[in-house]
Amino acid sequence: NAGVTQTPKFRILKIGQSMTLQCTQDMNHNYMYWYRQDPGMGLKLIYYSVGAGITDKGEVPNGYNVSRSTTEDFPLRLELAAPSQTSVYFCASSYSLGATNTGELFFGEGSRLTVL
Amino acid sequence: AQSVSQHNHHVILSEAASLELGCNYSYGGTVNLFWYVQYPGQHLQLLLKYFSGDPLVKGIKGFEAEFIKSKFSFNLRKPSVQWSDTAEYFCAVRPNTGGFKTIFGAGTRLFVKA
Repeated sequence: NAGVTQTPKFRILKIGQSMTLQCTQDMNHNYMYWYRQDPGMGLKLIYYSVGAGITDKGEVPNGYNVSRSTTEDFPLRLELAAPSQTSVYFCASSYSLGATNTGELFFGEGSRLTVL
Repeated sequence: AQSVSQHNHHVILSEAASLELGCNYSYGGTVNLFWYVQYPGQHLQLLLKYFSGDPLVKGIKGFEAEFIKSKFSFNLRKPSVQWSDTAEYFCAVRPNTGGFKTIFGAGTRLFVKA
């Protein structure tokens, strides 16, 4: 199993450009998440999804969009990139909540984005 | 609002020293608690978790954590650190009542001197 796969690993954007960060998981997890990690700030939730066709905002959704057309894929789109979006982005997935499921997150390797 | 506080942002230890990283959370209901570790250049991975039962939980690589409900704390410990423990450690909380969101602390960077 590959787990959670993110692409690209690195990207430099100019202000105002758009791009999509790809995320796919092969563990048949219903829940998927996008976090951004900034130094000294921990991880902040951008968007999450509890299943195909269902998405919702997290703590810091402004400037981002997501879609969930399949269980496996959860792309994150940046429209009109801004320097404040310079960060490391992590995609994660987890099993659905249940009696024995603790909600452990499985992370991708991260995508480092710089907006200049 | 729910939050997770990690007491130390940077910790420097010599090999064989004991480690304790503090974590407190603000949420009154039932929670699942986690410590994740991020080694240099790698993604986050689970170190240990508390779900229910024995409040002292053991994880990988000799780490353990104790859940003290009355103090809303979940401190991470290791009796003797190694150089390979150099990493960033994140405490995380997931409310167990209808929420899907895991809330992370700001992280603690641990550097172990050989």
